[in-house]
Amino acid sequence: QSALTQPASVSGSSGQSITISCTGTSSDVGTYKYVSWYQQHPGKAPKLMIYEVINRPLGVSNRFSGSKSGNTASLTISGLQAEDEADYYCSSYSSSSTLVLFGGGTKLTVL
Amino acid sequence: QVQLQESGPGLVKPSQTLSLTCTVSGASISSGAYYWSWIRQNPERGLEWIGYIHYSGYTYYNPSLKSRLTISLDTSKNQFSLNLSSVTAADTAVYYCARVHIDYGDYDWLDPWGQGTVVTVSS
Repeated sequence: QSALTQPASVSGSSGQSITISCTGTSSDVGTYKYVSWYQQHPGKAPKLMIYEVINRPLGVSNRFSGSKSGNTASLTISGLQAEDEADYYCSSYSSSSTLVLFGGGTKLTVL
Repeated sequence: QVQLQESGPGLVKPSQTLSLTCTVSGASISSGAYYWSWIRQNPERGLEWIGYIHYSGYTYYNPSLKSRLTISLDTSKNQFSLNLSSVTAADTAVYYCARVHIDYGDYDWLDPWGQGTVVTVSS
């Protein structure tokens, strides 16, 4: 069981928008801005998509956006494209001794 | 462009020590602005943070691995390494190294990641 909770799977049609949630606690997501999101295609390394809740690295499409409310962070992908089909992971700093937490991952299927 | 590359044996026998090296190019690990981290991934536990090191020698380990873990760095080769002792089948995973962006000394985000290396623990 992962420390951060994500839905196992989400799906959406090409062109639509989807949102992936990442639920933690007041010891991590709820208190700190250090929430990041990663995209992972099969056989590849994770790639940073969002950092500090809402920021996009250079080169990441503006179709990807992040937000947070309470203990839950969210990743929204608008205008879904076939290339977006991948696994997505959230991560957060934690004030617990574990320090760095990951979600269990969400498999995105583009219909 | 910063790149990281893991290297090491792909097969380790139970009870032995798993040793991996991450070679960094395009940046100096002596930069105080970052930590350097190891992460692993397997189907059972998903992504699991292992630990990180700063060029000053400061380390922080996942408490679940701390008793078996050593992370060190070699600034002359621009490399950092992982040693995990007394391995079992549960340590079978893809091992990644990554650069840690920090904010006032706290973990912030991981970028870039190495391509990963598969390590199997089996006799």
